[in-house]
This record gives sequence, C-alpha cells and structure tokens, in this order.
Amino acid sequence: SYELSQPLSVSVALGQTAIITCGGLNIGVKVVHWYQQKPGQAPVLVMFRDNNRPSGIPERFSGSNSGKTATLTISGAQAGDEADYYCQVWDNKIDVFGGGTKLTVL
Amino acid sequence: VQLEQSGAEVKKPGESLRISCRASGYTFTKFWITWVRQMPGKGLEWMGRIDPTDSFTNYSPSFQGHVSVSVDTSINTAYLQWSSLKASDTAMYYCARVITVAGFYYFDQWGQGTLVTVSS
Repeated sequence: SYELSQPLSVSVALGQTAIITCGGLNIGVKVVHWYQQKPGQAPVLVMFRDNNRPSGIPERFSGSNSGKTATLTISGAQAGDEADYYCQVWDNKIDVFGGGTKLTVL
Repeated sequence: VQLEQSGAEVKKPGESLRISCRASGYTFTKFWITWVRQMPGKGLEWMGRIDPTDSFTNYSPSFQGHVSVSVDTSINTAYLQWSSLKASDTAMYYCARVITVAGFYYFDQWGQGTLVTVSS
C-alpha cells in the first residue's frame, strides 16, 4: 500500500517560515491535502488539491507538490499555528495519511 | 455544515458497539462520509468511506472485516459498527464529510470525535 513520510517534528521561530514536507513514491503525480490538528480538537482542512486554501485559512498557509515531495509552508508562523499537521492522498481507492508532523513555534 | 457524533463509550472486549455521526446543514446524500481512527498519542488512520446514496463502501485493508459502516438517510446519520471489540480498538474515532473532485477525495468538515474505550 502507498506510504507517506513526514518528519516527526519541525520547529520554527515566531514570525519565521515553517516548512513541513510529505514524501511518497511519485507524489508529484498525486493530489495532496493537509490537515491541522490542535491538542484535543478534531482535524481541520488547511490545504486541498496541493495548493488551495479553504475559506477561513490564513494566506500565510501555502502548499506545493512536485517530484518526490509535497510541502506545506507557513509564512510568518504564529503561536496559534502550533499543532500536528497531516498530509493525505488518495491511492487506488484508499485514502492514506502521513504519520504527522508536530510543529513547535518557539 | 455540522457533523455531530455520539458520546464517549466504555465497553468490554467482545462486546458490540455502534457509534453515530449525524449530519446537518447540507444535503446528506450528496457527499460521502468517511471514518478516521486516532489511537492515543498517535496519528490519523483512514478506515473507510460510504456513499449515502447507495451505501457503497470502501474500506482500508487494515480495517476490512473488523468494522462496518452504514447510513440511515431518513435521519441523515452515518454509523461505524463493531461486532466484537478488542482492547486495541481503544481510540478516538472521527467522521468527516468527503469532497470528491476529479476522482480524488478530501475531508472538508469533521465531527468532534467519539472516544471509545475497551477494557476488561
């Protein structure tokens, strides 16, 4: 089955740019979505179809996908962005999540 | 749009269980519902999805045969069911609405989660 790999943790200084990666075989030809999950809360969609922000998601969130890596970028990270982030793709009738990345804002 | 899940459950191994996800604010039959497991301190795991129109289902191989998903369109509700729980089923379970575009799927609205605890 298809596998997605994410770094366990990413740290970023307040106001700087955080980059969270999601790797998988030929992921550049797949469509990647991203979810944010804060402690004790349900996940929230923050990026769909590689680089589309849902209504209500700040412009500082952006996404890209090419080659072997999909990326969620948070420009000017805020304390409220501290959360777990998961990438997700659909592959052969099955949805797959990455293992998740814990973002710490210092 | 809202997905309201049933409350926390405490069960013994071997018992059966059905948890629910009631949808409101949209036409229930126009969107698939998916279920996602999150074990304590772990990541998200996709379990399966159901088309409310005809109850067609897809399951993750990891969950096929151990759980079943169903819907009751008369009350806009989806269900996740176990016939024989195991201690390893202890987890938070989320339902989510599925957006399908050009053959791929993502989850735009989530329920608040149902905590299932299985312990003897």
